[in-house]
Amino acid sequence: AQSVSQHNHHVILSEAASLELGCNYSYGGTVNLFWYVQYPGQHLQLLLKYFSGDPLVKGIKGFEAEFIKSKFSFNLRKPSVQWSDTAEYFCAVNSAGNMLTFGGGTRLMVKP
Amino acid sequence: GAGVSQSPSNKVTEKGKDVELRCDPISGHTALYWYRQRLGQGLEFLIYFQGNSAPDKSGLPSDRFSAERTGESVSTLTIQRTQQEDSAVYLCASSSQPPGQETQYFGPGTRLLVL
Repeated sequence: AQSVSQHNHHVILSEAASLELGCNYSYGGTVNLFWYVQYPGQHLQLLLKYFSGDPLVKGIKGFEAEFIKSKFSFNLRKPSVQWSDTAEYFCAVNSAGNMLTFGGGTRLMVKP
Repeated sequence: GAGVSQSPSNKVTEKGKDVELRCDPISGHTALYWYRQRLGQGLEFLIYFQGNSAPDKSGLPSDRFSAERTGESVSTLTIQRTQQEDSAVYLCASSSQPPGQETQYFGPGTRLLVL
């Protein structure tokens, strides 16, 4: 069975600080990896995804994530956060024929 | 185009009553998913529809929960004899591809409170 762990439940940063949110999964086969974001009062929306190819994936709003297969990780990064990045971030994984499994989420608060 | 819509946006009910939650997926999306998100927790998969059939109901927490989909469009999630632990946000998502490499598009959710 798939499982996803996000170890940071709450993160507080000041504007311009760098961000890295951890995501680890457990599944031995080929996986597809996603980061979804939920801004306050808005729907969950896709931030970026990895299916194959270059393990460094770039998404919207300056976010990127790196797939490290040997570490079963897909950490989300942004070099300089903005107040508007305040949101809840969810890592998710699936594989062929399997349902999308979400991590518990990380609430990011960026102080202006 | 229109995204995934859900109704009602909020529902308050008394313990023991039945509730119906509705999801309108993006037009043409054959796959539809229901999730539950309890306060402070991640998304918990409930059920998946491909067309009008449900190949995976493994996430339904009890026989009080059921769902159907008609016309390869609208889906209804029904919770019978609601309990306080059913209080959560119920999210619906749709995609144009079956599970695997799909991008799921989420609705705004229905916030259910069982008193």
